[in-house]
Amino acid sequence: GENVEQHPSTLSVQEGDSAVIKCTYSDSASNYFPWYKQELGKGPQLIIDIRSNVGEKKDQRIAVTLNKTAKHFSLHITETQPEDSAVYFCAALSGGSYIPTFGRGTSLIVHP
Amino acid sequence: GAGVSQSPSNKVTEKGKDVELRCDPISGHTALYWYRQSLGQGLEFLIYFQGNSAPDKSGLPSDRFSAERTGGSVSTLTIQRTQQEDSAVYLCASNRDRVTEAFFGQGTRLTVV
Repeated sequence: GENVEQHPSTLSVQEGDSAVIKCTYSDSASNYFPWYKQELGKGPQLIIDIRSNVGEKKDQRIAVTLNKTAKHFSLHITETQPEDSAVYFCAALSGGSYIPTFGRGTSLIVHP
Repeated sequence: GAGVSQSPSNKVTEKGKDVELRCDPISGHTALYWYRQSLGQGLEFLIYFQGNSAPDKSGLPSDRFSAERTGGSVSTLTIQRTQQEDSAVYLCASNRDRVTEAFFGQGTRLTVV
């Protein structure tokens, strides 16, 4: 089955800096890669996703890149703000499955 | 409702007791998932329901865990003879048929003492 590795487990940045979270996956058939943000006491919420037919996607301060050859994808947050502080999860979904496999999460702390 | 609703929000139970956790998915969503989130861990898949198909139970950690989904809507996750290692946040998610964005509930925090 699919295996998703996520790094780092904790990321601390100053407000205004950029943050990058990286994930690798094992199943070359995976074709959908969502990123979720989980705030304290809440369930994860989708913030951006990318499909295997594109290499990059942007939404305001958030971008995701995908390298299918290397089987890794990354989340980039620019101009970080304290409200970006949360746990971020990457996931991968194979075309033959309907069950996303999640990474272990990255706790992002943005210091004012 | 507007989103996925889970109840209770918190549950404290004694070791050895049975517990039931409830999930109300978004209306019209045919797919429903249960995940477990332990401290410092990722989201561990437990079970998946899709319409009237047989559920995918491949993630259930032991036979003490079971789940059902009545009428294609509300789901209940049951843990029998709870153990301390069952302490975790149990998350439910739903989505439309084979559409990939999953919407999560706020979770039920289970503490076994």
